[in-house]
Amino acid sequence: DQQVKQNSPSLSVQEGRISILNCDYTNSMFDYFLWYKKYPAEGPTFLISISSIKDKNEDGRFTVFLNKSAKHLSLHIVPSQPGDSAVYFCAASAAGGTASKLTFGTGTRLQVTL
Amino acid sequence: KAGVTQTPRYLIKTRGQQVTLSCSPISGHRSVSWYQQTPGQGLQFLFEYFSETQRNKGNFPGRFSGRQFSNSRSEMNVSTLELGDSALYLCASSAPRAGTSNEQFFGPGTRLTVL
Repeated sequence: DQQVKQNSPSLSVQEGRISILNCDYTNSMFDYFLWYKKYPAEGPTFLISISSIKDKNEDGRFTVFLNKSAKHLSLHIVPSQPGDSAVYFCAASAAGGTASKLTFGTGTRLQVTL
Repeated sequence: KAGVTQTPRYLIKTRGQQVTLSCSPISGHRSVSWYQQTPGQGLQFLFEYFSETQRNKGNFPGRFSGRQFSNSRSEMNVSTLELGDSALYLCASSAPRAGTSNEQFFGPGTRLTVL
């Protein structure tokens, strides 16, 4: 039962353009959503998060949008840079931030081309 | 602050053997979680330890176990290894606080290969 889904295994975007990575979830109990970035041979690195009571959170080039009614969130990267090429994981947690169990999607590989 | 460290980084075992992986969290972090990453499956939660107690457990068989020491360091053990246990095992530490996203900080992982 995949509670967090990333339906696009890969995405290719030109440098300078916008990258949009999508994530869907099924569990209404999730109250925080997080995005992680992973390079080969390294552990995932936290990028940005959003509380379920918000619909947008921005941090520099990264913006996460949450549509609770559609159980959908997206990560926008503007402008995309070659160093952004990595696998991006969407994750969700429940229980108000005190529980450390994160439920991850299967990841989207982003390739930013010159 | 030093990041999360995991040892060893690479491990090769044969079926039926057992293995122990180690994780040292970020100083001050009392929560340590373990995840298994396999191709096509993303990261799957194994268990979480907080103050030496297992607080959460994922859907893995009893062959997978762990523990946490008083200094918050954690070990994970897999007994009777199977070919399907070949994966990247990731440890993450955090300082859980109510009302926050409780982002976890990951180590580089241990790549386990079972032959």
